[in-house]
Amino acid sequence: DGGITQSPKYLFRKEGQNVTLSCEQNLNHDAMYWYRQDPGQGLRLIYYSQIVNDFQKGDIAEGYSVSREKKESFPLTVTSAQKNPTAFYLCASSNWRLAGIGELFFGEGSRLTVL
Amino acid sequence: RKEVEQDPGPFNVPEGATVAFNCTYSNSASQSFFWYRQDCRKEPKLLMSVYSSGNEDGRFTAQLNRASQYISLLIRDSKLSDSATYLCVVNVGAGGGNKLTFGTGTQLKVEL
Repeated sequence: DGGITQSPKYLFRKEGQNVTLSCEQNLNHDAMYWYRQDPGQGLRLIYYSQIVNDFQKGDIAEGYSVSREKKESFPLTVTSAQKNPTAFYLCASSNWRLAGIGELFFGEGSRLTVL
Repeated sequence: RKEVEQDPGPFNVPEGATVAFNCTYSNSASQSFFWYRQDCRKEPKLLMSVYSSGNEDGRFTAQLNRASQYISLLIRDSKLSDSATYLCVVNVGAGGGNKLTFGTGTQLKVEL
């Protein structure tokens, strides 16, 4: 079955540690995105990539880094520079060339808690 | 002013009721509009796109008012399974980076 897989689902880390969240898709989508969701706030865009080897900062990129070396993969690193990293992180993909940017397909999310 | 604004709710309605949500957007250049549904602690999923002419999918109707810059979602004959958070989503288009902006969501609780 095609879809997006995020791992781990739950992650706990100590303050000051970097952590990398995995996102893999087998939908053959060009575009991939990382969002962050906090209680009472909408999804906020961290980084996005519309093609392999290229990515752009979203609205809240500070303290995060990404890479897009393969079409299928778009890992997100939460660095120690991110002041409030505890959140629900959602990865998504879209076939924007064919369908326009309308339907995002989301992974099940990763819940990061910093202790 | 927020780019996309929604009343957070919760809207508590009895089963069978008709309920409507509105969402306003600030950028008049916005090109496309969507409603997503998000169940508690789950990922969002596309519910429906919103077209200028309005569109209907079963019990759900979405409408766009460009002059007043709002979109609406109407749910008829609500079911217990409709309980979720409904996210209003707007795409400004290529000039704005061709990315989606999400509202904070409106929570719906359908009760017996």
